[in-house]
Amino acid sequence: AQKITQTQPGMFVQEKEAVTLDCTYDTSDQSYGLFWYKQPSSGEMIFLIYQGSYDEQNATEGRYSLNFQKARKSANLVISASQLGDSAMYFCAMRERRGQGSYIPTFGRGTSLIVHP
Amino acid sequence: DTGVSQNPRHKITKRGQNVTFRCDPISEHNRLYWYRQTLGQGPEFLTYFQNEAQLEKSRLLSDRFSAERPKGSFSTLEIQRTEQGDSAMYLCASSLAEGGQTYEQYFGPGTRLTVT
Repeated sequence: AQKITQTQPGMFVQEKEAVTLDCTYDTSDQSYGLFWYKQPSSGEMIFLIYQGSYDEQNATEGRYSLNFQKARKSANLVISASQLGDSAMYFCAMRERRGQGSYIPTFGRGTSLIVHP
Repeated sequence: DTGVSQNPRHKITKRGQNVTFRCDPISEHNRLYWYRQTLGQGPEFLTYFQNEAQLEKSRLLSDRFSAERPKGSFSTLEIQRTEQGDSAMYLCASSLAEGGQTYEQYFGPGTRLTVT
């Protein structure tokens, strides 16, 4: 079974509008972390935002916020005031604890976001 | 530049040849990860190091793949007898783990491998 599901292969948004990218996850652990990364066409993965499973407040980083709904196992990324430079692939990832204290992230398949002028 | 660097950025090789990639992590980071990413997919974990110790390897890492981090600084990923299915982007990431906490991973630009 997929641990991270991103159901939107592609999304389009008008510049300056807000957009929500969906992510659902599957885990039986109580302690885990959720990440969003951006991958522009250059290929480099850029860390955007992190939410711990015990964090009660939704994470925010500038124009990025994570809508964390633990009971529904969803961790949607909200980008406010979209900019042309936001056009990229966006990956949701979950980090679960494994043996020896290691945390190995599992990535979703990504959502391609295109921002129109 | 204090980010993660990878060399080479692109590598074209013929099937059956050996290739080696290098990753230089952020200097204070003690953990280093290797991932493989194919078109239309997210990164898939291959292996990771804490300092010089290789702590975990994915089942994706066949016997033809080997990774080292000899002094706990840079790391190399070698693929022997390359196959066309090895064509992918190979990403390196580093992070800091201390006091039981593990922080976010920072990725390098990747090495794109094409096996002809």
